[in-house]
Amino acid sequence: QVQVLQSGTEIKKSGSSVKVSCKASGDTSNSFSVSWVRQAPGHGLEWMGGTIPVAGRTHYAQKFQGRVTLSAGESTDIAYMELRNLTSADTGIYYCARGLIPGHMLHWGQGTLVAVSS
Amino acid sequence: DIQMTQSPSSLSASVGDRVTITCQASQDINNYLNWFQQRPGKAPKLLIYDASTLETGVPSRFSGSGSGKNFTFTISGLQPEDFATYYCQQYTNLPPDVTFGPGTKVDI
Repeated sequence: QVQVLQSGTEIKKSGSSVKVSCKASGDTSNSFSVSWVRQAPGHGLEWMGGTIPVAGRTHYAQKFQGRVTLSAGESTDIAYMELRNLTSADTGIYYCARGLIPGHMLHWGQGTLVAVSS
Repeated sequence: DIQMTQSPSSLSASVGDRVTITCQASQDINNYLNWFQQRPGKAPKLLIYDASTLETGVPSRFSGSGSGKNFTFTISGLQPEDFATYYCQQYTNLPPDVTFGPGTKVDI
């Protein structure tokens, strides 16, 4: 079983950056990939990008290209998502999800609320 | 980019009903289609992957079918805990890309 724990709520000002962490524990042998998914209040799910740390591969959704960086710590069990130049439209819950490939999101974190105000 | 549509956007049903949701891709995606359940205030949960394979531990009342551009998700015998929003999601591997459908809210 894999448990995924994300960092806590972030309150940010417009124009600033946020960095969210995602740590896996347990049997992570089939959780090579980490995807990040955003959900704005009352809206659906939006894929931001995915990374396979052990392979050194990262891919970003076109919408977020240039404004988001996905990375991993020294241990591949921890991953990070940094989003820059925040606006109120970035307010929402950010999830990380782990699986074999970016498209197979099996183990989800609890979500991190990011609130952006002017 | 591949676009996903789902219908209906919402539905009301009773316990024991059979519920069907459809999902259509803007181009052929083979069987690279997953279905998620999201209960209010919770993270999504993977129910079905590769169009028709039930994820471990998911009740057998959930099923999926389809390939190419058209897919179907069915709940046979709706239970009170199935009140949720359901999303289809397509993926490609080379390069990796993921798109979610807009969701279907199921009210009991």
